Amino acid sequence: KAGVTQTPRYLIKTRGQQVTLSCSPISGHRSVSWYQQTPGQGLQFLFEYFSETQRNKGNFPGRFSGRQFSNSRSEMNVSTLELGDSALYLCASSLLGGESAEQYFGPGTRLTVT
Amino acid sequence: KNEVEQSPQNLTAQEGEFITINCSYSVGISALHWLQQHPGGGIVSLFMLSSGKKKHGRLIATINIQEKHSSLHITASHPRDSAVYICAVQNIQGAQKLVFGQGTRLTINP
Repeated sequence: KAGVTQTPRYLIKTRGQQVTLSCSPISGHRSVSWYQQTPGQGLQFLFEYFSETQRNKGNFPGRFSGRQFSNSRSEMNVSTLELGDSALYLCASSLLGGESAEQYFGPGTRLTVT
Repeated sequence: KNEVEQSPQNLTAQEGEFITINCSYSVGISALHWLQQHPGGGIVSLFMLSSGKKKHGRLIATINIQEKHSSLHITASHPRDSAVYICAVQNIQGAQKLVFGQGTRLTINP
């Protein structure tokens, strides 16, 4: 079974632009979570989607948004990019989500904002 | 104070040594995860546990719910174990939301 895939793997954007990142979960998995990793803040939860509905959201500004499609693939969007948005963005999928569900991580998308 | 604290932050050891990484948390949890991150960023889930002890190869994870503490042990450490080890907890009300420790950077020298 293929693992979680994320595209693109690397991205360079300019301050003020917007960006869309994509995550394809493991086949059959219905929950997708997104995380941001920076050297200063470490790993932080962004949001979780399950069956096309946002089920949980972390403490990030409204510039960060996401969605999930009927095939469970998910996208996250960051508008009006700031230098501080430079980070590794990771997505993770799990079968049904919920408490105590094992998550499988993708390789991440490394975003650099200049 | 962070909800999840790991110690030590950095650990250097010789090949073959027994390694222990500790994780303490301050919230009620439904599960605790141990993750491994190699240079380049990819994260691998090592264990998910809500009670007791789990073993996989040379890795052992334990959790004490009453004391809100978990440990990750590596027996017969090897240079390929060099990585950042991250403890993460799932809050009881948080569904899939993980709260992460700051990570422990482990270096095993040959």
